Amino acid sequence: KNEVEQSPQNLTAQEGEFITINCSYSVGISALHWLQQHPGGGIVSLFMLSSGKKKHGRLIATINIQEKHSSLHITASHPRDSAVYICAVKAAGNKLTFGGGTRVLVKP
Amino acid sequence: DGGITQSPKYLFRKEGQNVTLSCEQNLNHDAMYWYRQDPGQGLRLIYYSQIVNDFQKGDIAEGYSVSREKKESFPLTVTSAQKNPTAFYLCASSGTGGGGNQPQHFGDGTRLSIL
Repeated sequence: KNEVEQSPQNLTAQEGEFITINCSYSVGISALHWLQQHPGGGIVSLFMLSSGKKKHGRLIATINIQEKHSSLHITASHPRDSAVYICAVKAAGNKLTFGGGTRVLVKP
Repeated sequence: DGGITQSPKYLFRKEGQNVTLSCEQNLNHDAMYWYRQDPGQGLRLIYYSQIVNDFQKGDIAEGYSVSREKKESFPLTVTSAQKNPTAFYLCASSGTGGGGNQPQHFGDGTRLSIL
């Protein structure tokens, strides 16, 4: 079993819809990251959180440490949100363990 | 602008050849990382370095080598011992303060293919 599991693996939405991506992990962590990978391959860090909730524009990330679960929400989705979203956790040391990613396609 | 530069974007290798992937950062970060990404799989750590002249193996170091002679540079060599080198390679860097909880900044990646 992978230490970091994401669901769904693929998601298609219509423009304007609310999108939720889930991440579950099985180890104790010090922080969780949400990353966005565009079709060209480059990765951008969206959020790093260790508790509670963070918001940036139309993106919201939440984490429940007791349940070992995090969600990434995209409100009023837009075609430019189409990307692969990756969850990564930091356990002992400085190394990250990555989930397999969720491929999001937002249709106009 | 500060950032991480990986070159080249696409790289082709013949069987039995070593190739070196470049990674340069001007973010003044102490830590640097190399990851490998295969289709449908999560990123896997190859090597990482917390400070100049020091580096550690990650989860899949076999067939790879690195050096960290300068703070801003962390080149990765894919040796002929790596039997399945075709993949997308990503370099990242981060600060080391804040108890180690610093975001990692990523380059745009190098796609390596075997001829």
